[in-house]
Amino acid sequence: EAQVTQNPRYLITVTGKKLTVTCSQNMNHEYMSWYRQDPGLGLRQIYYSMNVEVTDKGDVPEGYKVSRKEKRNFPLILESPSPNQTSLYFCASREYSGANVLTFGAGSRLTVL
Amino acid sequence: DQQVKQNSPSLSVQEGRISILNCDYTNSMFDYFLWYKKYPAEGPTFLISISSIKDKNEDGRFTVFLNKSAKHLSLHIVPSQPGDSAVYFCAASPTDYYNQGGKLIFGQGTELSVKP
Repeated sequence: EAQVTQNPRYLITVTGKKLTVTCSQNMNHEYMSWYRQDPGLGLRQIYYSMNVEVTDKGDVPEGYKVSRKEKRNFPLILESPSPNQTSLYFCASREYSGANVLTFGAGSRLTVL
Repeated sequence: DQQVKQNSPSLSVQEGRISILNCDYTNSMFDYFLWYKKYPAEGPTFLISISSIKDKNEDGRFTVFLNKSAKHLSLHIVPSQPGDSAVYFCAASPTDYYNQGGKLIFGQGTELSVKP
């Protein structure tokens, strides 16, 4: 089944404790991206990657890092999480096509105490 | 500033009736508009899209209308079913795709509840 897989799905952590949210897609998509969803704000792009070893900042990149060492994986790294990073995170991928249809993972709900 | 806005946080409709979800945008530099549906504990799933050169696109019970002069789009669901109960996000794809990081710009979402 074509899908984007994120882990963990739920995580409660404390301020300053480094964590990584993994993302993997099995559709051979070149493009991958991370979004966060917050109440009243919709989904906002954190980072994106057009291809392996090519990453760039989105609209809300502060406090996050990413890497793209292989096509299928695009982990999101929080080096020193803070409470304002408490959010619902979605990884997405896309093949290049006209309508810019993103395929999303199931989401990772992160709470930083 | 919110470039894509969904001003109704929630909508309740009776089963079998029409659901109309609305979305406004402030920027004319979008070439596609999309609707996503999201169930609890799941990721958003693509529902339907419309090119900026069209004013209507239909797929089964779902129709999206685009009014470029008013910078407004709407999603019509006819007839509504209880399984349609979900959060619906409208999204816009900028024309300068690569310079914008290939992103979609999302509205805040509207929670639709279809009552039996």
